[in-house]
Amino acid sequence: AQSVTQPDIHITVSEGASLELRCNYSYGATPYLFWYVQSPGQGLQLLLKYFSGDTLVQGIKGFEAEFKRSQSSFNLRKPSVHWSDAAEYFCAVGAGGQGAQKLVFGQGTRLTINP
Amino acid sequence: KAGVTQTPRYLIKTRGQQVTLSCSPISGHRSVSWYQQTPGQGLQFLFEYFSETQRNKGNFPGRFSGRQFSNSRSEMNVSTLELGDSALYLCASSLTGESYNEQFFGPGTRLTVL
Repeated sequence: AQSVTQPDIHITVSEGASLELRCNYSYGATPYLFWYVQSPGQGLQLLLKYFSGDTLVQGIKGFEAEFKRSQSSFNLRKPSVHWSDAAEYFCAVGAGGQGAQKLVFGQGTRLTINP
Repeated sequence: KAGVTQTPRYLIKTRGQQVTLSCSPISGHRSVSWYQQTPGQGLQFLFEYFSETQRNKGNFPGRFSGRQFSNSRSEMNVSTLELGDSALYLCASSLTGESYNEQFFGPGTRLTVL
């Protein structure tokens, strides 16, 4: 069965600093990996996704993520955070084909930005 | 193009009652999925409907059910509500439900069970 671990429940960084959010997954086949962001009172917005190919994936809002099969990781990075990046971030893994909508999410990482 | 719409946004019920939540997908999207979000269990997949058929199902009791109409709108129903059903219920739609189609999430319905 698929599973996702986000080891950091809460991270605080200063505005302008770099950011890395960790995600480890467990899945028997080639995973479909996603990062979503959720602002308070909002639904989830897709930041980026990995299906195959280049292991460094670019997303919206200046985010990128790197797929490392040997480490079963899909960490999210941003070189310089902005106060508007404060939100909760979720890593998710999905099966392929028609099982794709059955996403398994990590517990989330809450990001706080210090001015 | 309008996004995913969920109604109502907030709902308060008492134990034992039943509730119906509604989701209108983005125009042209045929797959609708439902997720439950709680502080303790996080985001959990409930079920997915495609062309009026349930295609995937999560690990929830039979009190949780859903359906999809010919216009792709979907409803989920929870019967005999329990305190633990208090959660944010999120609906997501995608074009066909295949892996290369992005899921777009609605703002959710916040259900409180007293």
